[in-house]
Formats: sequence, C-alpha cells, structure tokens
Amino acid sequence: DQQVKQNSPSLSVQEGRISILNCDYTNSMFDYFLWYKKYPAEGPTFLISISSIKDKNEDGRFTVFLNKSAKHLSLHIVPSQPGDSAVYFCAASLAGGTSYGKLTFGQGTILTVHP
Amino acid sequence: NAGVTQTPKFRVLKTGQSMTLLCAQDMNHEYMYWYRQDPGMGLRLIHYSVGEGTTAKGEVPDGYNVSRLKKQNFLLGLESAAPSQTSVYFCASSLRLAGGYNEQFFGPGTRLTVL
Repeated sequence: DQQVKQNSPSLSVQEGRISILNCDYTNSMFDYFLWYKKYPAEGPTFLISISSIKDKNEDGRFTVFLNKSAKHLSLHIVPSQPGDSAVYFCAASLAGGTSYGKLTFGQGTILTVHP
Repeated sequence: NAGVTQTPKFRVLKTGQSMTLLCAQDMNHEYMYWYRQDPGMGLRLIHYSVGEGTTAKGEVPDGYNVSRLKKQNFLLGLESAAPSQTSVYFCASSLRLAGGYNEQFFGPGTRLTVL
C-alpha cells in the first residue's frame, strides 16, 4: 500500500513559467513533509520541508503548500529554470522521537524545463 | 567534508554471490539508513540504525543484513544475491533531533545488477 503517492510521473514546463508538483498521502499521522530533488547518477538532495502546523513554507523560488484536510501537498517552482530539470520526490515522516526520522517516499515526478 | 560516501559505485553479481556495500559519513550523524530505488517505486527503506551497534528493519528487509560497528559506517550485506535485488542503493544519514524532524543526507548511490 503506497502511503505517499505522486500520481504524475512526468511534467514538462517552459522556462520562466510555474512548475507545480503534487503529492498525496493516506496516513493522517504523518506530520512532517519534505521534497527532495535528484539528478541522474546522484543521490537525492533536500530541497524544502514543511511541518503539519503550517500550510505554507517558502524558500526563494520554491514554495511548499500543505492541505491537511485533503492530505495533499504541492511544490511550486517560480520561475522555472532549465537547471530545475530533475526527478522530484516528496517524502513524509511520522511525529515523535521513536519514528527515528524514517521517511516514506513517493514514486517521484520527472520535471523537464524547456528553454 | 565529504558528506556521505558509498563504495562501490557499480557492481555486477551472479545469482547466489554475496557482497557488502559500504556507507561512510563524516557529519557525526546518529541515524543512518539504507534505501533501494526501483523504477516507479520511489525509495524504499531496507534497514536503518539509530546509533553505533544498533540496527532495525525497514519496509523491505528480506535478503539483506546490516551492521553498524562504528558510528560513521553502515554496511549493507547481500548473502545470496537474487535478480530481484537489481536496484540502485542509497545510503543516508541524519542528526537525532527532538520530535524526529530531520533532513536526511544521501550518498551518490550504488548501482547493482544481479544476473
């Protein structure tokens, strides 16, 4: 049972426009959410995160929105740049020290930004 | 700082052979993790460790063993490789923070093919 889902395998966007990547989760106990970016032949790198007590977190061109009632989060990239082309994974973590920071990942979305 | 390093980068095994993947981190992180990434599946947790001398099972532990004899190293072993273990393996580490909210730092991955 996939607890974190990214239903769009790929997304294609023109340079300068907005990229919106979506993620849904089923476990209402998740309370910390992260986005990772992955280039080919490299490991994932942390991009941005949000705690369940917030509904928005912004870092430069990247904004993550969380809708707890819908169990949905999204990553907005504005403006999109060709260097943003990568695979984006959303991940979720349970609350509490005994979760030991374990993450549950979605399947990933391949973002392609065209010049 | 090298961050998280993984050895080897590539490996081809025959069915039934054994091997050990080495992960090392120089950030003095308490927690370490092993994931596998398969097409359309995202990253799935194999085993993790919350400190030197401790290990625990993740989501997909069958066919793998791990050891954490030193804080900076986390070894993943395959005793009898099977074609189903063909995958890209990522090691990650993180700090131990209150509430379990932490960012994981990933290594560059090991691409393993089992024939």
